[in-house]
Amino acid sequence: EIVLTQSPGTLSLSPGERATLSCRASQSVSSNFFAWYQQKPGQAPRLLIYGASSRATGIPDRFSGSGSGTDFTLTITRLEPEDFAVYYCQQYGSSQSFGQGTKLEIK
Amino acid sequence: EVQLLESGGGLVQPGGSLRLSCAASGFTFRNSAMSWVRQAPGKGLEWVSAISGSGGSTYYADSVKGRFTISRDNSKNTLYLQMNSLRAEDTALYYCAKGGGLAAFDMWGQGTMVTVSS
Repeated sequence: EIVLTQSPGTLSLSPGERATLSCRASQSVSSNFFAWYQQKPGQAPRLLIYGASSRATGIPDRFSGSGSGTDFTLTITRLEPEDFAVYYCQQYGSSQSFGQGTKLEIK
Repeated sequence: EVQLLESGGGLVQPGGSLRLSCAASGFTFRNSAMSWVRQAPGKGLEWVSAISGSGGSTYYADSVKGRFTISRDNSKNTLYLQMNSLRAEDTALYYCAKGGGLAAFDMWGQGTMVTVSS
């Protein structure tokens, strides 16, 4: 099983700032079968990024994904108030697994 | 409109059974792998099970293997999860999601709550 470890656990930033969220895999993720999700309180998760760097339908271009192998990053440029949420990484190349989440909170 | 609507959750005693359903609409159901993902109260996401579009291939997390069975009825555009021998640690909000196998989860339902308690 591939274990995903997200850092930091909590990130405190202000609107307009840049957010960088990391996810490290215990083994290489095959063919970049890697995704990022956003979850707001009381809501289902929403797909942001798939294939490590492709934005899902309707996702603003301030969200971008990068990385390969075992290290992946989600970057949010110019944070908007609606971006404060919990973010999960996922690999789907070898069975399925999720990271434990990063909470992005308003500073 | 693309939609996934879960049902069937509730309160069940340890050792009991429950069957969840997920009604899909707005996309070609038979062409899509489908999955169940759960979230315990205040915790993160845990993938539970997946099934191919034809239903011919199924996959399970180790934590539910041998106790849960995923299935689908493509004539009814409905996904199922039969849960047997339920334990307290199965208590969670269960989401139906479009995707699985080598596809990310691009659509989610709102979830149905399962509580295992005496």
